[in-house]
Amino acid sequence: DAKTTQPPSMDCAEGRAANLPCNHSTISGNEYVYWYRQIHSQGPQYIIHGLKNNETNEMASLIITEDRKSSTLILPHATLRDTAVYYCIALMNNNAGNMLTFGGGTRLMVKP
Amino acid sequence: DTAVSQTPKYLVTQMGNDKSIKCEQNLGHDTMYWYKQDSKKFLKIMFSYNNKELIINETVPNRFSPKSPDKAHLNLHINSLELGDSAVYFCASSQGFGELFFGEGSRLTVL
Repeated sequence: DAKTTQPPSMDCAEGRAANLPCNHSTISGNEYVYWYRQIHSQGPQYIIHGLKNNETNEMASLIITEDRKSSTLILPHATLRDTAVYYCIALMNNNAGNMLTFGGGTRLMVKP
Repeated sequence: DTAVSQTPKYLVTQMGNDKSIKCEQNLGHDTMYWYKQDSKKFLKIMFSYNNKELIINETVPNRFSPKSPDKAHLNLHINSLELGDSAVYFCASSQGFGELFFGEGSRLTVL
């Protein structure tokens, strides 16, 4: 699976959009981009994933560049409860299921 | 009703002991996993298991063994515990390539 690079930390004001970048310049054509987050002392939580097209769900939007070398997770209206570590993962789905490899992630601090 | 539940939530034990952490999922998923999160907060995959195949991360010592009595359970057995085994262990499940659902974690402290 391709390596991903994320900034170690970011701040965001409550109510504003949080834009979390991720670089995955070596991603292959059949690798998906997954985003998970881990709120303090809890298990990781799935947010969203995509292959080529932009995706949106009730939690967030995922914007993937046309060359697929980077992506951005957008939390449209960040709340204090969105403070967490956000992980971007490139993964090829195969018969082994989802053997996610987590990197260091981005620690997002949402401030009042 | 918790989707992925682990017990115990906290476990404190002495070096050299053997211990188990239990995991149950009520989602009907076909694949279960164990992850380890160390003191530096890195999450590492240990095992992936469905009723056909066990995939082991080659860095996991053979003192660790997953055991699945049925499709809804994947327990983690650890023999001859060492100080470095102290960590938070997370169980997870998925249906095929779908999203992973994680449990709340089991914090193991080896003294």
